[in-house]
Amino acid sequence: GIQVEQSPPDLILQEGANSTLRCNFSDSVNNLQWFHQNPWGQLINLFYIPSGTKQNGRLSATTVATERYSLLYISSSQTTDSGVYFCAAYQKVTFGTGTKLQVIP
Amino acid sequence: ETGVTQSPTHLIKTRGQQVTLRCSSQSGHNTVSWYQQALGQGPQFIFQYYREEENGRGNFPPRFSGLQFPNYSSELNVNALELDDSALYLCASSRAASGSYEQFFGPGTRLTVL
Repeated sequence: GIQVEQSPPDLILQEGANSTLRCNFSDSVNNLQWFHQNPWGQLINLFYIPSGTKQNGRLSATTVATERYSLLYISSSQTTDSGVYFCAAYQKVTFGTGTKLQVIP
Repeated sequence: ETGVTQSPTHLIKTRGQQVTLRCSSQSGHNTVSWYQQALGQGPQFIFQYYREEENGRGNFPPRFSGLQFPNYSSELNVNALELDDSALYLCASSRAASGSYEQFFGPGTRLTVL
């Protein structure tokens, strides 16, 4: 099956810093989603982005399907951005390994 | 618009018992998927239901089974519980449409097997 790898596995940022999270997938995919999992386990939709670039406030994402990767950009990070970020590739849904982000004041 | 809901929130069972978890999909959605998330790992796909039929399955044994009802709500049943079944169980719903598979997740059920 498809393999989905995320990097870095762990990231510590000072509040206000910018970061880029990467998601690599081993085969072509039809769809890709980014999620933020809060400390209570809820997966919150960030982006549904099979290709191209989208922006939502301080967050943006880019998927280059032909090169099998997606990037999630977080600008001006806040402590509330802390948690685990997952990308998920479809159709037989495969989640990545996750990036655990901690933003410190 | 009503979001995805799951019940119960927490559950404690003993090894060998059976458990049923429930999920109500978001209004307008006709597809439900179930995931198991062990501590420190990403969610693992169990199976998906569309129009009351199983529509894809991950690498889980037959003692994991499910149902989808005409109102698109769903159940996950696990028989002969094992200690390794302790995990967060997540349900996601989506609206099967041409080329779109965006999923929306419920808050999860945390199952502990003793």
